[in-house]
Amino acid sequence: GAVVSQHPSWVICKSGTSVKIECRSLDFQATTMFWYRQFPKQSLMLMATSNEGSKATYEQGVEKDKFLINHASLTLSTLTVTSAHPEDSSFYICSARVGRAAESGELFFGEGSRLTVL
Amino acid sequence: QKEVEQNSGPLSVPEGAIASLNCTYSDRVSQSFFWYRQYSGKSPELIMSIYSNGDKEDGRFTAQLNKASQYVSLLIRDSQPSDSATYLCAVKRNNRLAFGKGNQVVVIP
Repeated sequence: GAVVSQHPSWVICKSGTSVKIECRSLDFQATTMFWYRQFPKQSLMLMATSNEGSKATYEQGVEKDKFLINHASLTLSTLTVTSAHPEDSSFYICSARVGRAAESGELFFGEGSRLTVL
Repeated sequence: QKEVEQNSGPLSVPEGAIASLNCTYSDRVSQSFFWYRQYSGKSPELIMSIYSNGDKEDGRFTAQLNKASQYVSLLIRDSQPSDSATYLCAVKRNNRLAFGKGNQVVVIP
């Protein structure tokens, strides 16, 4: 089946630093990828929709200048958390649709990246 | 009203029993519905999708959809300890998926 790979799986950083998370589609081309965030015991919250070759679409309440998304190729989208603070500590998960699933809405998820900001 | 609502609190079931999970959604025009399983510390994995009213069975899993009542459910038959996880209900709306908070299932050996 389709595989979405995410890296790093976990990262610890100091407050004020920036962290980049990569999301790759390994055996298919993904024109659209989705970035979610999940706090402990909470649901997945969509942060933004990443579109290849164009600007990302951010959900209401998500700061586009803080969460920079780049989707420069059909197989790679990156999320950069700029000037991270402890409240940004969370589980970040990327996802993509594949083929016919694109019509149905079915998503395949990456492994997730757990960010801890000290 | 939340887009997708799931019952709160963990569900404990004995091994071999049936686990029943419910989910309601607010947008009547939603057409695609999914159940994801999420183990602790891991990302979600799709276990069921359903698009039309009625039941859909896949192995020990059965999804039920009732669009008139705006609810979708998941039954897990012959529950196994490996089924212990959080189950997320997801509904497609405006070309994106909205997720419920999840139901934690604990299967007791």
